Amino acid sequence: SQTIHQWPATLVQPVGSPLSLECTVEGTSNPNLYWYRQAAGRGLQLLFYSVGIGQISSEVPQNLSASRPQDRQFILSSKKLLLSDSGFYLCAWSVGRKVNTGELFFGEGSRLTVL
Amino acid sequence: GDSVTQMEGPVTLSEEAFLTINCTYTATGYPSLFWYVQYPGEGLQLLLKATKADDKGSNKGFEATYRKETTSFHLEKGSVQVSDSAVYFCALYSGGYQKVTFGTGTKLQVIP
Repeated sequence: SQTIHQWPATLVQPVGSPLSLECTVEGTSNPNLYWYRQAAGRGLQLLFYSVGIGQISSEVPQNLSASRPQDRQFILSSKKLLLSDSGFYLCAWSVGRKVNTGELFFGEGSRLTVL
Repeated sequence: GDSVTQMEGPVTLSEEAFLTINCTYTATGYPSLFWYVQYPGEGLQLLLKATKADDKGSNKGFEATYRKETTSFHLEKGSVQVSDSAVYFCALYSGGYQKVTFGTGTKLQVIP
């Protein structure tokens, strides 16, 4: 069966520090991968998605970046965090390309607090 | 572009009350529609889905019918429980760009 893991689960970082959140999927090949952010009391904002290794689409201009070094690995990074980067970050996957039904499978989430 | 509009929360209900959470959408073509649920401190999980007009998705006592004529996908449950307290997200997928569009979420609180 397929599983998705993301870590760390909780992170407290000072303003200006770097960030790295990692997400891996097991039990499937060539998935689409997504990073969403959920700010307190707000909905889901799509940050990045990827349909293949090295292919990253950015939805919102910001100081965050994403990379997909391997087929089932998706990393969210920042060189210098801002207070506004605080939130709950969710990684998700779906089956890829032509067989994609739109159903997403989410990780457990990573709560980031920037102080 | 695609968009999803769902009713503002929070919604507070007594146990065994009837639940309706409204969701309407704008999309090109014929999207698939979803309801996801997020329990406190967790990621989202799929609650139910419908892939074409007049389809009814159902799971755990929740139901939603894909209404193309009114572009709606309202979530209903006949008798809510305290354990249903969560945030509910309506979403659509229209296939073109491999992206899913979410509504802003509706927080449901069920009190005993």
